[in-house]
Amino acid sequence: GAGVSQSPSNKVTEKGKDVELRCDPISGHTALYWYRQRLGQGLEFLIYFQGNSAPDKSGLPSDRFSAERTGESVSTLTIQRTQQEDSAVYLCASSLSGAGVGETQYFGPGTRLLVL
Amino acid sequence: GDSVTQMEGPVTLSEEAFLTINCTYTATGYPSLFWYVQYPGEGLQLLLKATKADDKGSNKGFEATYRKETTSFHLEKGSVQVSDSAVYFCALSDYGQNFVFGPGTRLSVLP
Repeated sequence: GAGVSQSPSNKVTEKGKDVELRCDPISGHTALYWYRQRLGQGLEFLIYFQGNSAPDKSGLPSDRFSAERTGESVSTLTIQRTQQEDSAVYLCASSLSGAGVGETQYFGPGTRLLVL
Repeated sequence: GDSVTQMEGPVTLSEEAFLTINCTYTATGYPSLFWYVQYPGEGLQLLLKATKADDKGSNKGFEATYRKETTSFHLEKGSVQVSDSAVYFCALSDYGQNFVFGPGTRLSVLP
């Protein structure tokens, strides 16, 4: 079946503008993750959704960042009043349940965000 | 909290050389361990994994053994190819919860 998709693939915005990034997980996957990857850096966890449970927002760097997920489908990551330091690749991943031992995460291609 | 440490890159090798990328972890529970790979211009994909002590994950000639006594999961390949040039990430997942990734190690293989 189809993999994880993300849109847009690239986004250039001006400092202070809001941006919205979208993730479509693999159908049937109840767990969804957002990560940030700055140039030459590792992955930084942002937020985790699992089924109908309250999301784990512990990785969100500031209150300018928020994310929503509709049921077990699409998720949107919103960054308000963007700053240049927000420039990075934003990666989305999904997994079957998020609770299984050794469960694999499947990653999307990422959205490359550039804040001018 | 849980953490993953990887050897600093970049690592540059000649084709057919032996590869080791070290990975050690700290975890409060009994984690599953993973190696993910990111080829140039592509997304992350799972390379191999192990879910319990002494398990060996293997794929595409790469191997890693879960060593609980040394809290390590070192990645090895006997003979690297140019096509193995990529960034390699060690990661852990504790009780299927959020993943913790290492910083990544960039490997360049020269012909």
